Amino acid sequence: GDSVTQMEGPVTLSEEAFLTINCTYTATGYPSLFWYVQYPGEGLQLLLKATKADDKGSNKGFEATYRKETTSFHLEKGSVQVSDSAVYFCALSVVGAGGTSYGKLTFGQGTILTVHP
Amino acid sequence: SQTIHQWPATLVQPVGSPLSLECTVEGTSNPNLYWYRQAAGRGLQLLFYSVGIGQISSEVPQNLSASRPQDRQFILSSKKLLLSDSGFYLCAWSVKAGAETQYFGPGTRLLVL
Repeated sequence: GDSVTQMEGPVTLSEEAFLTINCTYTATGYPSLFWYVQYPGEGLQLLLKATKADDKGSNKGFEATYRKETTSFHLEKGSVQVSDSAVYFCALSVVGAGGTSYGKLTFGQGTILTVHP
Repeated sequence: SQTIHQWPATLVQPVGSPLSLECTVEGTSNPNLYWYRQAAGRGLQLLFYSVGIGQISSEVPQNLSASRPQDRQFILSSKKLLLSDSGFYLCAWSVKAGAETQYFGPGTRLLVL
């Protein structure tokens, strides 16, 4: 079945440090890939997405590139801020052969990021 | 623009009591709707999804049920809560075409004592 594996956290960084959160996946069909962010006490917000191989999603200084050859979608940011402290979830959604949408997200376990001043 | 509402925001219930959580979506029609549970320190688990009024698919066997009485209303229920039902419940919606982005509500934190 479909699955997403994220690097285990928590991740603790100083402000302005470089961030990488690894995400790899296994999927049947043709997955779209997502990063969601959950700030303390809130629901999930879409951070970025990529729908086909070699696409790069970007938002708020975060980037992730859809690598089909390594089945990866690693999240990166060049300079983190205290306000980036949150839980980050990698997820996939599969469009099956023939374009049938399953419409269901499969999530990784989440990575807690804490950024100190 | 579309918005998604959930209530209540927080709920404390005794074991064995009933449950009803509500989710409504505004600004779109005929959406797919989803219920997820996030247990403390863990990822998200899809509980139910619905592609239309009265159409419910369950992803995991459990003590909960879902209903969709109206196009943009999705309800999560239980007749008798268990301790293990504690968690953070998230409702989400998406359009139907393709593997589309899901948009999440603010969540309901449920504590069963």
